[in-house]
Amino acid sequence: GESVGLHLPTLSVQEGDNSIINCAYSNSASDYFIWYKQESGKGPQFIIDIRSNMDKRQGQRVTVLLNKTVKHLSLQIAATQPGDSAVYFCAEYFQGAQKLVFGQGTRLTINP
Amino acid sequence: EAQVTQNPRYLITVTGKKLTVTCSQNMNHEYMSWYRQDPGLGLRQIYYSMNVEVTDKGDVPEGYKVSRKEKRNFPLILESPSPNQTSLYFCASSLSSGMNTEAFFGQGTRLTVV
Repeated sequence: GESVGLHLPTLSVQEGDNSIINCAYSNSASDYFIWYKQESGKGPQFIIDIRSNMDKRQGQRVTVLLNKTVKHLSLQIAATQPGDSAVYFCAEYFQGAQKLVFGQGTRLTINP
Repeated sequence: EAQVTQNPRYLITVTGKKLTVTCSQNMNHEYMSWYRQDPGLGLRQIYYSMNVEVTDKGDVPEGYKVSRKEKRNFPLILESPSPNQTSLYFCASSLSSGMNTEAFFGQGTRLTVV
């Protein structure tokens, strides 16, 4: 996942705009990646996943892009809405250890 | 409704007083795990369980115990809590530990140890 830091990265966008949240992962052997959304006072919620043999996957208003060359993952949210305000985590799955490792998260704020 | 239920949601306790945070899932999932979430550190896995009576250490197991006597329950036990265990705790379950299995998280337990 992302390198550990003391401050949560933040991103502010206007309602209706598109947003892109980035994540750098650490293990080139990771073969599965997931994006989670965590709203205030709630547990993380699955948004979308992608396997390492893909470079793009689309869901409803969300697209995940995977660039294995530079070990970079991004989540694009189209036409953002107030309900998209949350902390977004990327997670990489280690097949050998059979576990998920989470990044530190990015706080997305949607401005009206 | 499919869910993971943690109790309590909030807990303030004193150093050294044993406590248990319960976790229950109603989805017949095999895999369950506990995470702690701290500012700037994301979610770190404490313990996990592949199935009944099968538990193993995660990345930060020190000071914690777990048990998995039944499939639906996976309590987290702090035998002698210390202030550095003040954190937000999440229980999660999934059908298995493999890829493409969505993890469902509980609402979280905010623990303060004074």
